[in-house]
Amino acid sequence: QKEVEQNSGPLSVPEGAIASLNCTYSDRGSQSFFWYRQYSGKSPELIMFIYSNGDKEDGRFTAQLNKASQYVSLLIRDSQPSDSATYLCAVPLSGGYNKLIFGAGTRLAVHP
Amino acid sequence: SAVISQKPSRDICQRGTSLTIQCQVDSQVTMMFWYRQQPGQSLTLIATANQGSEATYESGFVIDKFPISRPNLTFSTLTVSNMSPEDSSIYLCSVFLSSTDTQYFGPGTRLTVL
Repeated sequence: QKEVEQNSGPLSVPEGAIASLNCTYSDRGSQSFFWYRQYSGKSPELIMFIYSNGDKEDGRFTAQLNKASQYVSLLIRDSQPSDSATYLCAVPLSGGYNKLIFGAGTRLAVHP
Repeated sequence: SAVISQKPSRDICQRGTSLTIQCQVDSQVTMMFWYRQQPGQSLTLIATANQGSEATYESGFVIDKFPISRPNLTFSTLTVSNMSPEDSSIYLCSVFLSSTDTQYFGPGTRLTVL
């Protein structure tokens, strides 16, 4: 059974700081990784996805993947109070891009 | 991305009854899924809704409890049958878009079973 592990938090950071969210996965064959953001009472929305080792940047967000260590992270630069949400790491069940297994999520709180 | 709607957005039901949740997408999609998110928990995949054939259920979920229909490429329903308070959850449909290789979620249906 594939597993995706995240620290549930809460992770509390001051406004303007870098928030670092981490995720480990059990299946060495996993090829793609997704980060979703979920505000309280809302459905998950896709933030980023990454397939290759290394960094992928999109605005204030950077995803980092290390397949050898089975580790994927999400960095949020210049954190804003509006970034306060639960961040979910997801890995496809079948090795493709579709059926996803989710981590428990990390709750991020950005305080002014 | 895709525009996904779900009905109802929320409901309160009595134990022993059934509720059917509808999911509508604004474009034709091959892959459509149903997830459950129990209070304070992450998302768990219930099944893949297959157009023209039976749904494919994940371990721990069975057709008698969660029958699914997929009559065409833009619509699916999930029924939660013979409900108990343990079925109180948010139920989400999602679609996979091959054009972007990503999965998008509907707004969810918040179900409370008394």
